[in-house]
Amino acid sequence: GESVGLHLPTLSVQEGDNSIINCAYSNSASDYFIWYKQESGKGPQFIIDIRSNMDKRQGQRVTVLLNKTVKHLSLQIAATQPGDSAVYFCAENDAGNNRKLIWGLGTSLAVNP
Amino acid sequence: DAGVIQSPRHEVTEMGQEVTLRCKPISGHDYLFWYRQTMMRGLELLIYFNNNVPIDDSGMPEDRFSAKMPNASFSTLKIQPSEPRDSAVYFCASSFAWNLAGGPPTVLTFGAGSRLTVL
Repeated sequence: GESVGLHLPTLSVQEGDNSIINCAYSNSASDYFIWYKQESGKGPQFIIDIRSNMDKRQGQRVTVLLNKTVKHLSLQIAATQPGDSAVYFCAENDAGNNRKLIWGLGTSLAVNP
Repeated sequence: DAGVIQSPRHEVTEMGQEVTLRCKPISGHDYLFWYRQTMMRGLELLIYFNNNVPIDDSGMPEDRFSAKMPNASFSTLKIQPSEPRDSAVYFCASSFAWNLAGGPPTVLTFGAGSRLTVL
């Protein structure tokens, strides 16, 4: 039979507004974090990364913030566009697990025109 | 560059049948990864290769799964026999990025995926 999947957290924003997608990570030993974007029917696409010795890193229209005290990561998208509609994944690089990427379950971003 | 190419894009098969998924990585990339994606478990790393050699296959679910990389431009993931619980989207990804922190690269280029449905 068909399995029932989890319902992804969804963030709905108006076009032109800023978006903030949050992620809590689990392993205090993780020292490198990555954000990926997955559009419908496509594979994940790398957006931006940050090392644990940084609190903030900026890219084109995107900013990643890292709070190691509370093990929290966020991705900010400025002036959100319809093309930003996708599922966003954070991933942590686990120094204690052969540096494999540990992926979150994702957040769905819906941009309303 | 055409990117990472996977085939087939969609596969519907019956329980017990053999399934072979194929991947052509980006030329020059020396790492190749196979991932499985489901709603329940998200993205799971199954296995990865470096210079055609399997490095870590600890994510392969069971003996029914096998992966090969006979050369730098081709890899297969085989499931034999397939079961309904294998239904998922299977992604291949490749990379040449150097991870300064050590370990496998983390900036991956993914293919479009192969959606497998086992009835």
